[in-house]
Amino acid sequence: DADVTQTPRNRITKTGKRIMLECSQTKGHDRMYWYRQDPGLGLRLIYYSFDVKDINKGEISDGYSVSRQAQAKFSLSLESAIPNQTALYFCATSDRGRFTGELFFGEGSRLTVL
Amino acid sequence: GQNIDQPTEMTATEGAIVQINCTYQTSGFNGLFWYQQHAGEAPTFLSYNVLDGLEEKGRFSSFLSRSKGYSYLLLKELQMKDSASYLCAVIDSNYQLIWGAGTKLIIKP
Repeated sequence: DADVTQTPRNRITKTGKRIMLECSQTKGHDRMYWYRQDPGLGLRLIYYSFDVKDINKGEISDGYSVSRQAQAKFSLSLESAIPNQTALYFCATSDRGRFTGELFFGEGSRLTVL
Repeated sequence: GQNIDQPTEMTATEGAIVQINCTYQTSGFNGLFWYQQHAGEAPTFLSYNVLDGLEEKGRFSSFLSRSKGYSYLLLKELQMKDSASYLCAVIDSNYQLIWGAGTKLIIKP
């Protein structure tokens, strides 16, 4: 089983619908992240959380919200989906410490908003 | 602003050597990463450089020059399975990870 699990893996929805992407991890890491990836662009950080009581906006948080329900769970919500939120979404984790760049990614959730 | 530049696409031949370059302009520097990403899959960690010089790991090596804001990933004895995108990422002074758009490497027989 994967250490970082995302559900759903694929989702097609309509404009205006509420969507939740879920992420759970068994690595025991404190830090969790949500990224989106679009063709021709680098990974862009949406939100990140360094522990259960810590939530931080990334560079593109508008239109998104998150919830850290437990150390192992971090969900991303689109309250009212729009077509330009069509993208591949990745959840990632990292361990505490100075070496903060090594991320462990989930398999991705491909979202299409029609 | 912060910027990381990599070639969009490169083509190489099976068994050959290829060098993928990455240049960066960031607010501070606390390390540089290379990740590999096969199409439709998650990125996976390849290497980490924080000091100048070459880090070798099997067929893959990564080089860093902090004074030049430059790194490269060297892949030797290319195999078809090396066809993937290679992502360069830099940790800035705020310990934020800044990503390049990635280089798509195509390996031909």
